Amino acid sequence: AQSVTQPDIHITVSEGASLELRCNYSYGATPYLFWYVQSPGQGLQLLLKYFSGDTLVQGIKGFEAEFKRSQSSFNLRKPSVHWSDAAEYFCAVAQGYSSASKIIFGSGTRLSIRP
Amino acid sequence: NAGVTQTPKFQVLKTGQSMTLQCAQDMNHNSMYWYRQDPGMGLRLIYYSASEGTTDKGEVPNGYNVSRLNKREFSLRLESAAPSQTSVYFCASGDRGGTEAFFGQGTRLTVV
Repeated sequence: AQSVTQPDIHITVSEGASLELRCNYSYGATPYLFWYVQSPGQGLQLLLKYFSGDTLVQGIKGFEAEFKRSQSSFNLRKPSVHWSDAAEYFCAVAQGYSSASKIIFGSGTRLSIRP
Repeated sequence: NAGVTQTPKFQVLKTGQSMTLQCAQDMNHNSMYWYRQDPGMGLRLIYYSASEGTTDKGEVPNGYNVSRLNKREFSLRLESAAPSQTSVYFCASGDRGGTEAFFGQGTRLTVV
């Protein structure tokens, strides 16, 4: 069964500093990978997704993520964080491009921004 | 642009009571999902539906039932609520499992 691990529960970075959030997945075939963001009291919004092709994907709000098959990782990065980036971030994996595919989420990483 | 609409937004139940959480989407999506979100646990899949008339168990289905009567609507029922079901429930829909899921705003349920 597929699973997602986000090893960092809470990260604090200074405004303007770079950010990397870690995500490791377990799935036998090529996964479909996602990063979502949740602001307090809100639903989830898609930041970016990887299906195939270029392993470095660009998303909204200046975020990017790199798929590394050898490490089963899909880490999220941003060169310079803004105070508005404070939120909870979720990595997710789907089994494939099928209506029967489940989407499984990691436990999330809460990001705080230091002024 | 309604997207995914969940009702109610808040609910307090007594232990043993039943209720149904409603979800409707207007994006003509095939797949629909119910998740629960608990602190430190992320989102855990309760049930999902690949198409109208089909449903499958997710990671944590015990204590819940679902119904996908048509393409738009996917309801989640708690037959006998327990305090362990206190959570925020999210409904989502997507064209297919490998594509983006669109989320509702959530239902905050408290069972006392």
